[in-house]
Amino acid sequence: QITLKESGPTLVKPTQTLTLTCTFSGFSLSTSGVGVGWIRQPPGKALEWLALIYWDDDKRYSPSLKSRLTITKDTSKNRVVFTMTNMDPVDTATYYCAHEPYGSDAFDIWGQGTMVTVSS
Amino acid sequence: EIVMTQSPATLSVSPGERATLSCRASQSLSSNLAWYQQKPGQAPRLLIYGASTRATGIPARFSGSGSGTEFTLTISSLQSEDFAVYYCQQYNNWPPRYTFGQGTKLEIK
Repeated sequence: QITLKESGPTLVKPTQTLTLTCTFSGFSLSTSGVGVGWIRQPPGKALEWLALIYWDDDKRYSPSLKSRLTITKDTSKNRVVFTMTNMDPVDTATYYCAHEPYGSDAFDIWGQGTMVTVSS
Repeated sequence: EIVMTQSPATLSVSPGERATLSCRASQSLSSNLAWYQQKPGQAPRLLIYGASTRATGIPARFSGSGSGTEFTLTISSLQSEDFAVYYCQQYNNWPPRYTFGQGTKLEIK
C-alpha cells in the first residue's frame, strides 16, 4: 500500500523560504520510472503543478516558478524535499505530494496535503 | 504554454442520470490526459489516465474518451458519492510540465 505524507511549517513570513518534506512508504524512488511530484491548491482554487523528481534524479519544474523551486530526494530515507524561496501571500495554499507510476503521466496516490499560510 | 479549459464550470445533474464533462486543450496532447475527482477537504483522486484508462479501483461507470484537443469524462449513472469537483490534467513532453484545468463542479440537481 502506497502512502505519502507532507510535513513542514503551517505559517511562513513573506520573503522566507518554505521547506516541505514528503515521507512515503510502499514504493521506492530507486524503482525505474517512478516519480514524486508536488502540487498546490490555493483556497477555493484549482490545482497547480509545481515540481517532480524521478527515480533517476531527473527533475522537472513549473516554468513559471522554476527560479524559486528546488526538489531533492533521499532514497534511503524514502523522502522528497521541496523548497520554494521568496514566499508571498499569494503562495498561501494546500501543498500536496503525489506518486507518479511509470508511464502514466498522472498522479495516482496523493498525500493528505498540508496547508501553508504566508503572512507577516 | 498549453491551456486546459473545462466546461461547464458547474453541472447540475440528478442522481441516476448521465454526466458529461469536457476538457479542451489549446494544443494537441495525443492521449496524455488524466481526470481527477476532488471532494471538499480531501486530496484529489485519480480516475482516468491516458485519456481512457481507469485507475485502480475506479468503478466502470466512469469512462474517459478523446484525443488531440478534445476530451470527455462520462459518468454513466450518477451516485450520491460522485458529486464533487473534477479536474483534467495534461502532460506535455517539452517543455515538460503538467497543467490542470480550472475544474468542473458536479452538483445535485
